[in-house]
Amino acid sequence: GENVEQHPSTLSVQEGDSAVIKCTYSDSASNYFPWYKQELGKRPQLIIDIRSNVGEKKDQRIAVTLNKTAKHFSLHITETQPEDSAVYFCAANTGGFKTIFGAGTRLFVKA
Amino acid sequence: DTAVSQTPKYLVTQMGNDKSIKCEQNLGHDTMYWYKQDSKKFLKIMFSYNNKELIINETVPNRFSPKSPDKAHLNLHINSLELGDSAVYFCASSPLGTGYGYTFGSGTRLTVV
Repeated sequence: GENVEQHPSTLSVQEGDSAVIKCTYSDSASNYFPWYKQELGKRPQLIIDIRSNVGEKKDQRIAVTLNKTAKHFSLHITETQPEDSAVYFCAANTGGFKTIFGAGTRLFVKA
Repeated sequence: DTAVSQTPKYLVTQMGNDKSIKCEQNLGHDTMYWYKQDSKKFLKIMFSYNNKELIINETVPNRFSPKSPDKAHLNLHINSLELGDSAVYFCASSPLGTGYGYTFGSGTRLTVV
């Protein structure tokens, strides 16, 4: 079955710097890759997603890239702010009824 | 107006008890899920339902029994609770099963003592 690995597990950056979180997946049939942000004590919320027919997608300070050949996808956050501090999850879906999540990255943005 | 609502938000109970968690979505989605988030924040799928039908049972112990009376509701009943069941349980829904982003409920923190 699908396996999603996520790195790093913890990331600490200075406010204004960029943050990059990387994920790899195992099932080449995966075609949908969402990213979720979970603030402390809250629910995970979808922040951006990408489909396998697209290499890159941007939404303001957030961008996601996908390399299907290498089975890698990454989240890039530019000009980080303290409110970006949260746990971020990558995930992969093969088009079926199961989304597999990475283990999460705890991002700390220091003011 | 809450899109995916779960009750209760907190549940503290003794080992061996039976408890239920309820979930309702008003988004008109066809597919609903239960995920378990452990103390290390790992999100693991338990069940997927599509239009009231069980699609995925991810080798969850028989003590866990989901029920979907209609496509807007997915409840979770747990028998004979064990210490290891302590976790946050999230209900979620999506428009189809085909990999659209989930909308999660606010979670139920279950503590078994």
